[in-house]
Amino acid sequence: GQSLEQPSEVTAVEGAIVQINCTYQTSGFYGLSWYQQHDGGAPTFLSYNALDGLEETGRFSSFLSRSDSYGYLLLQELQMKDSASYFCAVGDGQNFVFGPGTRLSVLP
Amino acid sequence: NAGVTQTPKFRVLKTGQSMTLLCAQDMNHEYMYWYRQDPGMGLRLIHYSVGEGTTAKGEVPDGYNVSRLKKQNFLLGLESAAPSQTSVYFCATRGVPPGANVLTFGAGSRLTVL
Repeated sequence: GQSLEQPSEVTAVEGAIVQINCTYQTSGFYGLSWYQQHDGGAPTFLSYNALDGLEETGRFSSFLSRSDSYGYLLLQELQMKDSASYFCAVGDGQNFVFGPGTRLSVLP
Repeated sequence: NAGVTQTPKFRVLKTGQSMTLLCAQDMNHEYMYWYRQDPGMGLRLIHYSVGEGTTAKGEVPDGYNVSRLKKQNFLLGLESAAPSQTSVYFCATRGVPPGANVLTFGAGSRLTVL
C-alpha cells in the first residue's frame, strides 16, 4: 500500500518563503509530484521529481530525497494568489496516490 | 482544444437513483482516472483505465462501475446512489513521455445524494 503525510495547514505572510513537507510510504515509487488546488477549482500540476535533488520552476521549487522517503515544496516571494491547497502525489507506474493536502493561507 | 471535460458539473440525486458521469478528453491520452475528493481527505482513486477497453479498480471502487468503450471517453456509473457518495468527482488523464508524470484534471462534478 501507499500512504503520504503532509501538514494540514500552513500560514505565512506575503513576500515570505514557505516550505510544505511530504513524507511517503510506498510499495512502488516512480516519482513525487505536487499539485495546487484553489477553492472550487481543479488540481493543477506544479512540479515533479523522479530523482533526488531540487527542481526549480520560477517561484516554486520541489525537493526529493528517496533514501528518506521525503520531499518538500518551496514557495518563494509568496503572493496572495498562492493561497490554496497543495497536494503531494506518488506515482507507482500506473496510478498516483495523493496526500491529504496542505492548506496554505497567505496573509497581507 | 477543451482538454478534459466533465459532465454534468452539478447533480442532486435521491438515495437509490442511478446516474453516469462522463469524462471526455481530446488529448489522445491513454490513461484516464476517476477520483473523488472529500473534505480533509485529498483525492482518492476510484477506478482507472490504461487504454480503450480496459478498466481497473482503485482505492475506493465499491458502489461504482466504469467503462471505456472509446479512447476519448471514460464513464463513471453509480447504480444505486448512497449519501456516502456525496462528493466532488474529478476525472484526470495522463499521456506518454515526456508528459507521462503529469495529470490533467477536469473541472469536477459535484454530486449530492439526499
